[in-house]
Amino acid sequence: DAKTTQPNSMESNEEEPVHLPCNHSTISGTDYIHWYRQLPSQGPEYVIHGLTSNVNNRMASLAIAEDRKSSTLILHRATLRDAAVYYCILRDDNYGQNFVFGPGTRLSVLP
Amino acid sequence: GAVVSQHPSRVICKSGTSVKIECRSLDFQATTMFWYRQFPKQSLMLMATSNEGSKATYEQGVEKDKFLINHASLTLSTLTVTSAHPEDSSFYICSAIQLGQGMNTEAFFGQGTRLTVV
Repeated sequence: DAKTTQPNSMESNEEEPVHLPCNHSTISGTDYIHWYRQLPSQGPEYVIHGLTSNVNNRMASLAIAEDRKSSTLILHRATLRDAAVYYCILRDDNYGQNFVFGPGTRLSVLP
Repeated sequence: GAVVSQHPSRVICKSGTSVKIECRSLDFQATTMFWYRQFPKQSLMLMATSNEGSKATYEQGVEKDKFLINHASLTLSTLTVTSAHPEDSSFYICSAIQLGQGMNTEAFFGQGTRLTVV
């Protein structure tokens, strides 16, 4: 069972910021929050991950709530190539080393 | 970043035949590889976890005699779909985790294999 909930779909305009939310109210203290995205007909691609502090990399930023029950993936300037399904995943010792995928959020980027 | 190569990217086979899909970690050693299948408009579903040198662990409902997994080395895992049926047509994806890494590491995914059984 997926331990995260995300909106089914979101839309954004090109070159505008996008905030993709994820709720994980049952997160445990040692769960890492991972984000992946999947472009059409491709395997998933790593985006970012974090534990407690906000994280930044060249692709995105990850804002983690203080209570860690939610997080937000931030794309600073959406491009058409960012249109994909975005998955928020918790890595949990109870699942071994598996990545359990929920339905994700389908992001559409409008020109 | 690390690269996982999956081959073939697309395959069409006849019902009753077997198809082998390869998953290679090109620039790192992977003790653990995962196999997923994905139907159109759906999320990835984990089929099995493959550890180098040992038998794969299959998820509930996945037939181990139909989906044969071999992880003979730290850089190669294979999935063989035996006696394929049209309902086995799907997008198969592998992923790998780098040797010695724990939860604070990302997984690397192959580009997927589109299997069509006719």
